[in-house]
Amino acid sequence: DAGVTQSPTHLIKTRGQQVTLRCSPISGHKSVSWYQQVLGQGPQFIFQYYEKEERGRGNFPDRFSARQFPNYSSELNVNALLLGDSALYLCASSVMRLTGPNEQFFGPGTRLTVL
Amino acid sequence: AQKITQTQPGMFVQEKEAVTLDCTYDTSDQSYGLFWYKQPSSGEMIFLIYQGSYDEQNATEGRYSLNFQKARKSANLVISASQLGDSAMYFCAMRGMKTSYDKVIFGPGTSLSVIP
Repeated sequence: DAGVTQSPTHLIKTRGQQVTLRCSPISGHKSVSWYQQVLGQGPQFIFQYYEKEERGRGNFPDRFSARQFPNYSSELNVNALLLGDSALYLCASSVMRLTGPNEQFFGPGTRLTVL
Repeated sequence: AQKITQTQPGMFVQEKEAVTLDCTYDTSDQSYGLFWYKQPSSGEMIFLIYQGSYDEQNATEGRYSLNFQKARKSANLVISASQLGDSAMYFCAMRGMKTSYDKVIFGPGTSLSVIP
């Protein structure tokens, strides 16, 4: 079975531009979460979507938005890019159990560079 | 607030030796889950092992075991018989069970280098 896929792999943008990142979860997984990983740090939670609804949001500005489609794939949008948005953006999918492991399976990430 | 602390920025281990990566956590939740992930230089996060807060036995997965000491709020990862392919960043993470959503808090990570 295919794992979590993300596109594009790398992206270079300039300040003020907008970017859209895409994620396809593992088949059967209805939950998609987005994380931002700045170089040298652990991932920071941005959003979780389940059954096309936002279920949780981390401490990120409104410039960050996301959505989930009927096939459970997801897009993360970032508007008005800042230099500090340069990071590895990770998508993770899970079956969304509130108890037990409910481990999240991560994609390879999209490395965004803002110049 | 939930927090994960990993006090070892970098660790070295000889090939075939065992190594312990430290993790302490802080939470007010009674029910929570603890995870360890491996991140090679390629960037992908790889799930290694899980420990539930009510699990009485320490979790084990192949060469990985989790030394869970609930009273001390520690969840150290033990890797036995280290291999060159174990060289990577290792992240300890936690998920509280009180929230209705799937937010995972990660620590800052430990860089492990396996020496031939």
